[in-house]
Amino acid sequence: DVKVTQSSRYLVKRTGEKVFLECVQDMDHENMFWYRQDPGLGLRLIYFSYDVKMKEKGDIPEGYSVSREKKERFSLILESASTNQTSMYLCASSRLGLRNTQYFGPGTRLTVL
Amino acid sequence: KNQVEQSPQSLIILEGKNCTLQCNYTVSPFSNLRWYKQDTGRGPVSLTIMTFSENTKSNGRYTATLDADTKQSSLHITASQLSDSASYICVVSFGNTGGGNKLTFGTGTQLKVEL
Repeated sequence: DVKVTQSSRYLVKRTGEKVFLECVQDMDHENMFWYRQDPGLGLRLIYFSYDVKMKEKGDIPEGYSVSREKKERFSLILESASTNQTSMYLCASSRLGLRNTQYFGPGTRLTVL
Repeated sequence: KNQVEQSPQSLIILEGKNCTLQCNYTVSPFSNLRWYKQDTGRGPVSLTIMTFSENTKSNGRYTATLDADTKQSSLHITASQLSDSASYICVVSFGNTGGGNKLTFGTGTQLKVEL
């Protein structure tokens, strides 16, 4: 079974704090993705990575950065958290190729006060 | 602009009944279309995937159809169960950027199955 884990299910931070969200997958997948999910907006891609140290911007990269130092781990970083970054954050992984299915983690519900 | 629209936004049905969820897309160039099920508080799980040449795909009580000409897909759920209560998300894949795949997500249909 593919397993994608995220470091926290719930997280509360203050405005201006630096926030790290960690994602680990155990299937040796090349692709990893970070999304945020907001009511009425669906999932929106923040960043994705198709190899170690490689990253590409998604639809809404502003205010976020990512790090992929190892194949199994993909980190999302909020350099200075703001209240409009309060959201559900979902990590996913997949093999390369257009038919690949993305496997999602359980999500991290981040609240920025 | 690449868009995926789903209808209805929400749906309540009685256990044992069938239902059909709709997905219309304007994504180009089309690669494939997936339906995901997302239980409350969990990440989405893939139900079906269809390419341009496939017009129907089943996974147990779930049957997805695809009409690539009209750019429409539907997800039919047969003999619904309480455990089918979830959000159903239509996802269309397009292009191939940097070795990965770009996806456009619908906002989902929230299904509730009641006794």
